[in-house]
Amino acid sequence: KQEVTQIPAALSVPEGENLVLNCSFTDSAIYNLQWFRQDPGKGLTSLLLIQSSQREQTSGRLNASLDKSSGRSTLYIAASQPGDSATYLCAVPMDSSYKLIFGSGTRLLVRP
Amino acid sequence: DTAVSQTPKYLVTQMGNDKSIKCEQNLGHDTMYWYKQDSKKFLKIMFSYNNKELIINETVPNRFSPKSPDKAHLNLHINSLELGDSAVYFCASSLGGPINEQFFGPGTRLTVL
Repeated sequence: KQEVTQIPAALSVPEGENLVLNCSFTDSAIYNLQWFRQDPGKGLTSLLLIQSSQREQTSGRLNASLDKSSGRSTLYIAASQPGDSATYLCAVPMDSSYKLIFGSGTRLLVRP
Repeated sequence: DTAVSQTPKYLVTQMGNDKSIKCEQNLGHDTMYWYKQDSKKFLKIMFSYNNKELIINETVPNRFSPKSPDKAHLNLHINSLELGDSAVYFCASSLGGPINEQFFGPGTRLTVL
């Protein structure tokens, strides 16, 4: 059974700092891993999707890496801004099904 | 142009009532999903439809009945609402199976009094 864990549960950093969010999964036989952002009271915004054959993906100040063998992914945010404050969720498909298994998220606060 | 839209955004109702939430996507995707986010913010899959056919039905009470009139729409009907149904319900869509990105709607916050 696939389980997804995110550490830390909450993170507070000053503006401008580079930071890393962690995601781990128990079953390394994944198709891909997706990172989302959720703002309070809002829906989920897809940030990055890494296929199992890839090691990393970049979008602007965001860089996501994937190490299937160790069951880990990281989301690196460079030069953080107050607008980056949100909850960040990672998710992996379960087996070959259409289900996404979500982590519990990391709540990020970037202080001005 | 909203990619995945849901109506209503907020729904407040009494216990025992029946209500529906509608979802539409204009991305040309063939797979749609319903997720539930509980008070602890944990997201869990409820249903998935591919080309209007049900392919995932998690252990959800049969008071919840999804309906997909076409590939662009997936509605969720809930009978005999209970206090524990209070949550945020998200619709999502993707093209094909698990190798592709899922896009989410803005959510419907359901409050059962």
